[in-house]
Amino acid sequence: GQQLNQSPQSMFIQEGEDVSMNCTSSSIFNTWLWYKQDPGEGPVLLIALYKAGELTSNGRLTAQFGITRKDSFLNISASIPSDVGIYFCAGPLGAGGFKTIFGAGTRLFVKA
Amino acid sequence: DVKVTQSSRYLVKRTGEKVFLECVQDMDHENMFWYRQDPGLGLRLIYFSYDVKMKEKGDIPEGYSVSREKKERFSLILESASTNQTSMYLCASSFTGVVYGYTFGSGTRLTIV
Repeated sequence: GQQLNQSPQSMFIQEGEDVSMNCTSSSIFNTWLWYKQDPGEGPVLLIALYKAGELTSNGRLTAQFGITRKDSFLNISASIPSDVGIYFCAGPLGAGGFKTIFGAGTRLFVKA
Repeated sequence: DVKVTQSSRYLVKRTGEKVFLECVQDMDHENMFWYRQDPGLGLRLIYFSYDVKMKEKGDIPEGYSVSREKKERFSLILESASTNQTSMYLCASSFTGVVYGYTFGSGTRLTIV
């Protein structure tokens, strides 16, 4: 079946550093979504991207919809301890987006 | 504050038991979903429902069933629990039409012993 490949699997960084992660697929997506899951909670939508080439920011987070429609990138600038968590990329499948597939996640650790 | 509420945060059940996980949303969303989350595998779709009494299989429906008798409530049923169903279970809901993403509950960590 279709898969989203996220990398890296985990990252250990120092507070204040910038972070980059990405998500790739062998299939084309018309929408890319980025979620964050805090420890012990469900994922929360961070950014939604609807157009190839689109660059969208949400505070210190910036995400891009790849030109090929097969990839997306998420950057976090000046990381802080509360950025700790798992970041998932996701892409809706089919008409209506009833079925969304998720990547395996990038687990971020931030050292104060 | 709009939300998706899952009835239990932690649950321990015995092998062979019938297990019910409940999910309620207060956003009048048409669609509801059950995912399981396992380390290294991300979120995998078990079942979803796009209307009352309607259900569709996801990617891993074996050993599970669902029930949606009311718009706001979506139940996941483990017919005969097995140890390989030990996992984190996440319920989510969404509107139909525009892809704004899902609203997730906080999850139920289920352990089958």
